[in-house]
Amino acid sequence: EDQVTQSPEALRLQEGESSSLNCSYTVSGLRGLFWYRQDPGKGPEFLFTLYSAGEEKEKERLKATLTKKESFLHITAPKPEDSATYLCAVRQETSGSRLTFGEGTQLTVNP
Amino acid sequence: DGGITQSPKYLFRKEGQNVTLSCEQNLNHDAMYWYRQDPGQGLRLIYYSQIVNDFQKGDIAEGYSVSREKKESFPLTVTSAQKNPTAFYLCATKTGQGAGNQPQHFGDGTRLSIL
Repeated sequence: EDQVTQSPEALRLQEGESSSLNCSYTVSGLRGLFWYRQDPGKGPEFLFTLYSAGEEKEKERLKATLTKKESFLHITAPKPEDSATYLCAVRQETSGSRLTFGEGTQLTVNP
Repeated sequence: DGGITQSPKYLFRKEGQNVTLSCEQNLNHDAMYWYRQDPGQGLRLIYYSQIVNDFQKGDIAEGYSVSREKKESFPLTVTSAQKNPTAFYLCATKTGQGAGNQPQHFGDGTRLSIL
């Protein structure tokens, strides 16, 4: 059974304190790993797609990386506006367009 | 203004009542999806549709029904058979054009509660 596990469940940082979120996956034939940001009461907002081990994507203070077993979302010098829940999802070769989501990491950045 | 519109934002269901959640898109996307989100849990797929007049069950379809009569619309009905309907419901769409691994894009959800 495909599994996606995110850690930690919650993370509290001070403004400017860099850290990383983890997304571990066990799927047969990864066809894409997706990162989303979700604000309270809103739908998830797409951030990145990663396809193969070694790939990296960046956007402002966020950088996503991918290995054969996990993905990291690195947050450099975070600001309070980066506070949100970050979700990862995977698509595997036999699932068509379906995604399997992790439970998310709730990030709080204090000023 | 392009996007995905879910309505209503809040919905209350009485015992034994069916309720319908609306999802409309003007992105010309082929695929549409319904997810349920509960506190502390990831998104779980209820139903999805790749083309008009066709849809498939997801992981938790029991107690729900859908239709896809138009490309722009994918309404979800929560029936009285769904005994624990309180949740945040999210609709997503995805284009079928270009590279095969396009992301899903989400609406802003409907929060359903039991009266």
